[in-house]
Amino acid sequence: DAKTTQPNSMESNEEEPVHLPCNHSTISGTDYIHWYRQLPSQGPEYVIHGLTSNVNNRMASLAIAEDRKSSTLILHRATLRDAAVYYCILRDLGGTSYGKLTFGQGTILTVHP
Amino acid sequence: EPEVTQTPSHQVTQMGQEVILRCVPISNHLYFYWYRQILGQKVEFLVSFYNNEISEKSEIFDDQFSVERPDGSNFTLKIRSTKLEDSAMYFCASSEAQSSNQPQHFGDGTRLSIL
Repeated sequence: DAKTTQPNSMESNEEEPVHLPCNHSTISGTDYIHWYRQLPSQGPEYVIHGLTSNVNNRMASLAIAEDRKSSTLILHRATLRDAAVYYCILRDLGGTSYGKLTFGQGTILTVHP
Repeated sequence: EPEVTQTPSHQVTQMGQEVILRCVPISNHLYFYWYRQILGQKVEFLVSFYNNEISEKSEIFDDQFSVERPDGSNFTLKIRSTKLEDSAMYFCASSEAQSSNQPQHFGDGTRLSIL
């Protein structure tokens, strides 16, 4: 699986936007970009994914660079409940990994009241 | 919203004993996974399962581990002879399909403590 690089930690204030970056300079043309998060004492939770175009859902937005070598997860208004570890994961459309997710260390997001 | 449920939430077992961790995946999902997370470390893939067969397993998933779907709703992970280093959070996940644009849905895990 192609490698991703994320900052170890980030901080935000409640009700402010948060931009979580991810670098994936070795991404292949068939890799989807997935984001998961893990709240304290819980299992990972799917957030959003995309291939080339920017994506929006009820939880977040995903902005993908034109060359696809980086992406940014955007939380439009952070809440205390958004404090979690955020993982950026590449998944190969054409691979034979049978769906496994390869987690890195992720970014620890702290949200201040 | 349907969810993956895992039982028990916490399991304490003596070293060398067998343990079975149970999961009820989302009902229309066909692909099932186990992951583990040792305290303070990354979430690690153990095994994927489809159509009553293991699709893929990691190096961690050695002969002491086995998985089973004993009925239409449960998915279990058995550790035959537990070791101290098996202490971890174990997460079950399921998905509708295995393709890379399908999300996986995780349970909240079983904390396994080996004494």
